[in-house]
Amino acid sequence: EAQVTQNPRYLITVTGKKLTVTCSQNMNHEYMSWYRQDPGLGLRQIYYSMNVEVTDKGDVPEGYKVSRKEKRNFPLILESPSPNQTSLYFCASTPKRTGVGETQYFGPGTRLLVL
Amino acid sequence: GDSVTQMEGPVTLSEEAFLTINCTYTATGYPSLFWYVQYPGEGLQLLLKATKADDKGSNKGFEATYRKETTSFHLEKGSVQVSDSAVYFCALSEDTGFQKLVFGTGTRLLVSP
Repeated sequence: EAQVTQNPRYLITVTGKKLTVTCSQNMNHEYMSWYRQDPGLGLRQIYYSMNVEVTDKGDVPEGYKVSRKEKRNFPLILESPSPNQTSLYFCASTPKRTGVGETQYFGPGTRLLVL
Repeated sequence: GDSVTQMEGPVTLSEEAFLTINCTYTATGYPSLFWYVQYPGEGLQLLLKATKADDKGSNKGFEATYRKETTSFHLEKGSVQVSDSAVYFCALSEDTGFQKLVFGTGTRLLVSP
C-alpha cells in the first residue's frame, strides 16, 4: 500500500531533550516536506527536500533540523525542544513535478507535547 | 507573499443541507488550488484540485471552481452527510519549482443527523 508513515504518533517530552520524528514513504517520491499544524494558523511548512542531500528551509524552520540521506526517509530533529514546539506535525511527499498541481501525500501526523 | 483566507468555523449543518465553504487567495503568479480534508485523528488527504482558471475540481459530490477574476475557490456540496464531518483546508501552490503548499486556517464542518 502506498503510504507515508510517521513515528511516533504521540510524544510527550521535556524541554531540552533531543528528539527525532521519523518519516518514511514507499512511493519513490523525490519531494518531501514537514509541516506543523497549530489552531488558527493552519499548516505551515518547516523544511522541505527536493531530493537526497538537498534540503531547504520553509516558513518556520527555527528550532528544527532535517536530513535526507535516503530517498524514502526524511526525519525531523528537534535538538532542544521548547514548549512553543508543542504542535501536530505532518510529513508529506510528492512525486517529481511533471507539471503544476502535483498532489501531496500526507502522513498520519505526530502529536508532540513539550513540557 | 502568497496567502489563503477561509471562512471561520465551525460550520454546523443538518444532514442533506447544502454546503459552501468560502476560500479566497492572494498569489503573485498562477497557482494551483486545492481542497484537502482532515478526518478526525487522521492526516490530510486531497479532496479535489484545479490547476488553471475556470477549471472545476470535483470528488465525492464536492465541487470547487477556480475563479481567477474573484481569486476564489469556494467548496460546495449539494447534500452533506454525517460522514462529511471533518476539517477542510483550502491551499495553493505556485509553480516555483518545488512543491510548497500554502494553507488556509481550516474550516471545521459538523453535520448532525
